[in-house]
Amino acid sequence: SQQGEEDPQALSIQEGENATMNCSYKTSINNLQWYRQNSGRGLVHLILIRSNEREKHSGRLRVTLDTSKKSSSLLITASRAADTASYFCATVPLYGQNFVFGPGTRLSVLP
Amino acid sequence: DTGVSQDPRHKITKRGQNVTFRCDPISEHNRLYWYRQTLGQGPEFLTYFQNEAQLEKSRLLSDRFSAERPKGSFSTLEIQRTEQGDSAMYLCASSLPPGTGGENEKLFFGSGTQLSVL
Repeated sequence: SQQGEEDPQALSIQEGENATMNCSYKTSINNLQWYRQNSGRGLVHLILIRSNEREKHSGRLRVTLDTSKKSSSLLITASRAADTASYFCATVPLYGQNFVFGPGTRLSVLP
Repeated sequence: DTGVSQDPRHKITKRGQNVTFRCDPISEHNRLYWYRQTLGQGPEFLTYFQNEAQLEKSRLLSDRFSAERPKGSFSTLEIQRTEQGDSAMYLCASSLPPGTGGENEKLFFGSGTQLSVL
């Protein structure tokens, strides 16, 4: 079974707005990663945050991690129509090498 | 193209037939993962190799499923006696070994093999 849960399941916004997606998980982790998937394609890595980090930035992406609440959020600022995709969080357990993915958030950015 | 490649991209088969998928990882990656993804869901872990050794298998991987990575390079995933419930996208991913720098902890995915069992 999947460890992570993303929230919301689907999100529709206008171009230029910010999009925030949340991820919750259950066990202790080594790191948490966010991936993007365009329809019918493989996943592409976006950003990694380690368990001892609280916030990380990469371009228009901002990720936060709260290990006490076992949750993370992904913020995409100034969204573009090309950001339309599904976004997944993946956790790497503290002991193990298996990446565990959540069910994803389907983001639609309307032009 | 030096990314992860999967073959075929699409496979349609009849229930009860056997199918085999191939994955060619990025050449210097010694870790290879197989995932299964159904519509609207996230990828579900199936199995993982480090070089030619299969180190972890999910309970999802029934005895009808077998994966190999004979020389530590490409991998195959075989499904015997396919069932309609096997219809899904089968994704392969690879990564660098640990201790090789910041890139080692992320997965590089192929485009997947879409299986339809009729």
